[in-house]
Amino acid sequence: IQMTQSPSTLSASVGDRVTITCRASQSISDWLAWYQQKPGQAPKLLIYRASNLEAGIPSRFSASGSGTEFTLTIRSLQPDDFATYYCQRYNLYSWTFGQGTKVEIK
Amino acid sequence: EVQLVESGGDLVQPGGSLRLSCAASGFSVSNNYMTWVRQSPGKGLEWVSLIYGGGATYYADSVKGRFTISRDSSKNTFYLQMSRLRIEDTAMYFCARGRGNYFPYFATWGQGTLVTVSS
Repeated sequence: IQMTQSPSTLSASVGDRVTITCRASQSISDWLAWYQQKPGQAPKLLIYRASNLEAGIPSRFSASGSGTEFTLTIRSLQPDDFATYYCQRYNLYSWTFGQGTKVEIK
Repeated sequence: EVQLVESGGDLVQPGGSLRLSCAASGFSVSNNYMTWVRQSPGKGLEWVSLIYGGGATYYADSVKGRFTISRDSSKNTFYLQMSRLRIEDTAMYFCARGRGNYFPYFATWGQGTLVTVSS
């Protein structure tokens, strides 16, 4: 199963609403996670099971989707949100990341 | 506090071997999903291997037959033994703890250890 994110790069301003899309090459139900990674840091879990917000993650992050199409939305982009975001499908025996979406300052 | 600390990264020649360690604190590695994920310089994330609490192990096709994941409950540490290393194995290697009622996603991450394969 391949995971494809779009766009690869996104230029936005503080306060903007930002949406990232992740598509699976075949249905993965809702077995999808989203991660945020900043330069020089480890990834951080944002969302699991497609739409569940991880504890401690700000509520401006939300996600939805099932089957083959998923979205991550940042309601009002904050300076701390400029980073690269990865989707990941998971099951019992394999885990696949999307190629990443870099959110940069416009 | 739940924490993961990787070690063991180094410069190694192609064909060589290396063992990475991931020391855990705040929980037991023996009854958790533990995994390795790598990131080549300037590239995205690639899952490498995972070990279940029950001991089942899984590997990415790119490392199958060359890498082995294991754990030592007495040291609360898990490992990635890497052999027949290739230049394309050069990456930052992160360890992580999985979580999930059915299938594991990666909830807690270490800061990574750098493996460079070069002659």
